[in-house]
Amino acid sequence: AQRVTQPEKLLSVFKGAPVELKCNYSYSGSPELFWYVQYSRQRLQLLLRHISRESIKGFTADLNKGETSFHLKKPFAQEEDSAMYYCAFQGGSEKLVFGKGTKLTVNP
Amino acid sequence: EPEVTQTPSHQVTQMGQEVILRCVPISNHLYFYWYRQILGQKVEFLVSFYNNEISEKSEIFDDQFSVERPDGSNFTLKIRSTKLEDSAMYFCASSESGRWGSPLHFGNGTRLTVT
Repeated sequence: AQRVTQPEKLLSVFKGAPVELKCNYSYSGSPELFWYVQYSRQRLQLLLRHISRESIKGFTADLNKGETSFHLKKPFAQEEDSAMYYCAFQGGSEKLVFGKGTKLTVNP
Repeated sequence: EPEVTQTPSHQVTQMGQEVILRCVPISNHLYFYWYRQILGQKVEFLVSFYNNEISEKSEIFDDQFSVERPDGSNFTLKIRSTKLEDSAMYFCASSESGRWGSPLHFGNGTRLTVT
């Protein structure tokens, strides 16, 4: 079954600390992976995608096929990074399969 | 920057009634989607729509649900005979192309409350 697991429902760090939001997926083929973010009172928006291999707002994510992971990392968290983060993937079809999300709080 | 717009932002309806949720996708996008999120649960795929027909649907999307693109701009989700468990946030999304890696642009959502 296609599944995305985000093991942490809540994650709290201090400003300037490194942050890692974990994501594991279950899929036997080659997936396309995404991180979506939802800031308070705003819409879900794409943060970054595996296919682009880009860094957005200081965040990066590396696909590890051996561990079936796509963890989101940022070396120095900022208060404005506080948001809900969703890992999602496409595998074999156009639909996105989402994880349950991790609420990141960056404290001053 | 163009956005997907959804109306209404909040809809309250009685069990058994029909509701229509409306969406205006981004104008040059060709692929349209509905997702829903029951409170405390994950965002779930309902249906994708391309070239005036459903291209994929989930097991949630049964005969109670239907989608339509009645004109060149609107994309609607109709829920017939609503049930309490249909209460959720419903998100519309669109993308320029349906190929893998193509980002989805989401609307702000419609919160449906069935009483």
